[in-house]
Amino acid sequence: EILMTQSPATLSVSPGERATLSCRASQSVNNNLAWYQQKPGQAPRLLIYGTSTRATGVPARFSGSGSGAEFTLTITSLQSEDSAVYYCQQYNNWPQTFGQGTQVEIK
Amino acid sequence: QVQLQESGPGLVKPSQTLSLTCTVSGGSISSGDYYWIWIRQPPGKGLEWIGYIFYNGNTYHNPSLKSRVSISVDTSKTQFSLNLSSVTAADTAFYYCARGRRYCSGGTCYWAWFDPWGQGTLVTVSS
Repeated sequence: EILMTQSPATLSVSPGERATLSCRASQSVNNNLAWYQQKPGQAPRLLIYGTSTRATGVPARFSGSGSGAEFTLTITSLQSEDSAVYYCQQYNNWPQTFGQGTQVEIK
Repeated sequence: QVQLQESGPGLVKPSQTLSLTCTVSGGSISSGDYYWIWIRQPPGKGLEWIGYIFYNGNTYHNPSLKSRVSISVDTSKTQFSLNLSSVTAADTAFYYCARGRRYCSGGTCYWAWFDPWGQGTLVTVSS
């Protein structure tokens, strides 16, 4: 089973600033990586798949990058509604595995 | 647009069986392009997959749950269901159903990302 490690555990960013979240896989997952956003009291929502493709309706301030075993989710110009936990997920190998999440807080 | 909705008891007694149903609306449950998933999340913790059912009826479950998991599908009702037996307090969690996408690229197919998700239902195991 591939282990997904996210960092940092918590990220505190001022409105309008950039947030950079990292996700590392224990082995290469090619570009088969997704990101999800989970707001308090809600189900996770797909943000990004295929490392960098935004899901339908996801604002352009969310972008994904990386390859192999190192990936990044960037939120440019952070807004208050972006306060949430963000999870990465690899689907290159079965079973799919999630990272433990990064909490993004608004300063 | 496809929507998923979980339903079932919010309180289950220890040693009993947790039973949940996910109703899929706005799309087919029989398409080979998708698979159907149960995931859970203990309050304040991360995501744990429970099991999947595929278009051909094959099921897979998380080995950590041993043989306690059973997943079935009723295509006539566009529903799939989860049974988790012999529950303990450790099974208290938010339970989500989701649709997974089957994605093929370069001759290789993947059981890929989850979208959409149901809103989730909290199941508490307590006497």
